[in-house]
Amino acid sequence: DTEVTQTPKHLVMGMTNKKSLKCEQHMGHRAMYWYKQKAKKPPELMFVYSYEKLSINESVPSRFSPECPNSSLLNLHLHALQPEDSALYLCASSQGSGRSSPNLNYGYTFGSGTRLTVV
Amino acid sequence: EDKVVQSPLSLVVHEGDTVTLNCSYEVTNFRSLLWYKQEKKAPTFLFMLTSSGIEKKSGRLSSILDKKELFSILNITATQTGDSAVYLCAVERLYGNKLVFGAGTILRVKS
Repeated sequence: DTEVTQTPKHLVMGMTNKKSLKCEQHMGHRAMYWYKQKAKKPPELMFVYSYEKLSINESVPSRFSPECPNSSLLNLHLHALQPEDSALYLCASSQGSGRSSPNLNYGYTFGSGTRLTVV
Repeated sequence: EDKVVQSPLSLVVHEGDTVTLNCSYEVTNFRSLLWYKQEKKAPTFLFMLTSSGIEKKSGRLSSILDKKELFSILNITATQTGDSAVYLCAVERLYGNKLVFGAGTILRVKS
């Protein structure tokens, strides 16, 4: 299995709703990431989990709350979002820090994303 | 501050043309440079480059890294309409599991 699976593919939520985005990988990767991508812009890093511990939080507002229940799963809990939070949310995974594999022809693997619309 | 700059920002070519996309970078503790193709959804991995001067090839696509001059190029030969996409360059740092993305090059191949 060489995929990162994200659910749901599309989500429409109101500003008072609570919802969660889910991400799963079974490649044995030990680093998992959440990125946010607005239209016509590159992905922007939000959070990094390394060995199930939060290692990077790019000053993301607290209305976004990540969770890593185990090495294969990554969630992003959403609460009280704003319309400007509407974007494509991408999950990615990689082997993890300190495990450089230059001989392997792969890098980070991205999921297909969740298209989030906040109304 | 880490920086990845791609050029051109957009490009329109005809089928059969050859294109060269550029990516220059200034990153502390460089580990690797990655190229991705993005159509409507998730970026699709193309290449990961860690060593200077070694060309990587996949079909009509090839890429090379110059760690002395801090840039990489992505070549696409005999372009097809299916090559139309945004091509993203990203640089990985040695520590911290962080990818720094360039703004992307929008490629449109006309039939």
